[in-house]
Amino acid sequence: EAGVAQSPRYKIIEKRQSVAFWCNPISGHATLYWYQQILGQGPKLLIQFQNNGVVDDSQLPKDRFSAERLKGVDSTLKIQPAKLEDSAVYLCASRSGRTASSTGELFFGEGSRLTVL
Amino acid sequence: ILNVEQSPQSLHVQEGDSTNFTCSFPSSNFYALHWYRWETAKSPEALFVMTLNGDEKKKGRISATLNTKEGYSYLYIKGSQPEDSATYLCAFRGYSTLTFGKGTMLLVSP
Repeated sequence: EAGVAQSPRYKIIEKRQSVAFWCNPISGHATLYWYQQILGQGPKLLIQFQNNGVVDDSQLPKDRFSAERLKGVDSTLKIQPAKLEDSAVYLCASRSGRTASSTGELFFGEGSRLTVL
Repeated sequence: ILNVEQSPQSLHVQEGDSTNFTCSFPSSNFYALHWYRWETAKSPEALFVMTLNGDEKKKGRISATLNTKEGYSYLYIKGSQPEDSATYLCAFRGYSTLTFGKGTMLLVSP
C-alpha cells in the first residue's frame, strides 16, 4: 500500500514570496490533515478535510494561507506572502473512517520543510 | 485551544535502560489518545490508539497505559535500544480534531 506522498521535501524562499505544497493521501482515506510543526513545538493543525469539505480551519491564518482538496483526493496548501515565522515542517496526514469523529490512526507523509529567509 | 502536555521534554539514556514518558490531556470530551514515534528525516508513525479508560497496549518492548478520568497516559520502553531514538508524540482526540503535545525527544546511547 502506497503511503502519503508530499512534495517538495525542502523549499527555501525569501519573505513575501509564495510557496505551495502538495499532498496525495492514501487511496480511499476520506480525512486529510495539514499540520505545521515549528522547531521545538508539537504539530499544530492548520486544516482538516473530510472528503472535499472543511471540518476545521480555525487555526489557519487565512490572510496568507489557503488550502484546497479538489475532488476529495489530493490537496494543496499555499502560503502567500510568506513570513519568517512560517519556517516549519508542513506535515500532511490522512485517515480512513467515514466520519470526522472516527478514532483511527493518522498516516503521515515525510513532510515539507520550509525555510523563509 | 486544548492543552496537551508531555514530560520530560527530552531524555538521554544508555542502551538497556528502561524509560517512561507522560502525556497529560483534558479529561472531558475524550474520544481517543494517540501515541506516535517520529524518527529524524522520516514520517511520524502510529504506535497506539487508545480509547478505553484503563486500557493497556503493548508492541514489542513498548507499552502504554491510559487513565481518562484523571487525564494522563504513560508510555514505557523496556530495555531501550539506539534505534528507539526518536521524538515520541502524544495526541488527544476530541470530537473531530487531534491535538498534539510538544513531544519527548529520546536519545539512546550505545
